[in-house]
Amino acid sequence: DVVMTQTPVSLSVSLGGQVSISCRSSQSLVHNNGNTYLSWYLQKPGQSPQLLIYKVSNRFSGISDRFSGSGSGTDFTLKISRVEPDDLGVYYCGQGTQYPRTFGGGTKLELK
Amino acid sequence: VQLVESGGGLVQPGKSLKLSCSASGFTFSSYGMHWIRQAPGKGLDWVAYISSSSGTVYADAVKGRFTISRDNAKNTLYLQLNSLKSEDTAIYYCATTLFDYWGQGVMVTVSS
Repeated sequence: DVVMTQTPVSLSVSLGGQVSISCRSSQSLVHNNGNTYLSWYLQKPGQSPQLLIYKVSNRFSGISDRFSGSGSGTDFTLKISRVEPDDLGVYYCGQGTQYPRTFGGGTKLELK
Repeated sequence: VQLVESGGGLVQPGKSLKLSCSASGFTFSSYGMHWIRQAPGKGLDWVAYISSSSGTVYADAVKGRFTISRDNAKNTLYLQLNSLKSEDTAIYYCATTLFDYWGQGVMVTVSS
């Protein structure tokens, strides 16, 4: 199974600030078709997860350009700029390259 | 797109339960679907996938106990949970193929 490791586990940020979350996979996430199926999700308190970024760097419909994804192979990063109150919650990375699908342990973003 | 889960509840260890996920706003029959669960206070745990042609894949932890199925005429996804264990206690979410849309989740509690 592909193990997804996220760091840090928690993050404190001031409103308007910028943060980065790292996600590393135990195996390359490059699919046989050449695509890299690494996604980022945000789970706000009491809600179900929502897709932010797919295939490393593509923002999902309606997602602010304050969210950006980058990386390749086994190392990936989510950056959030100009943090707003609605950005708070737990962020997860997830891989869709092979089964079983796996997710990182989560990074909790809190206000400083 | 709307996904609405139902069928959760409190069940004794060793018993069974059947979850449903009613889909609307897209051509359900054309898409694969997932079940994902989240134990209280924990991260995301992928459970099973069914393709548009009803091919299935399961996580090792549920293989042989859970069965994913679909009824395209009713636009509904199912998860049959048998031989339930306390460690199956979680919120169960259904989600579309690329995890781009998630339901609100349904709670399953396994306890005597």
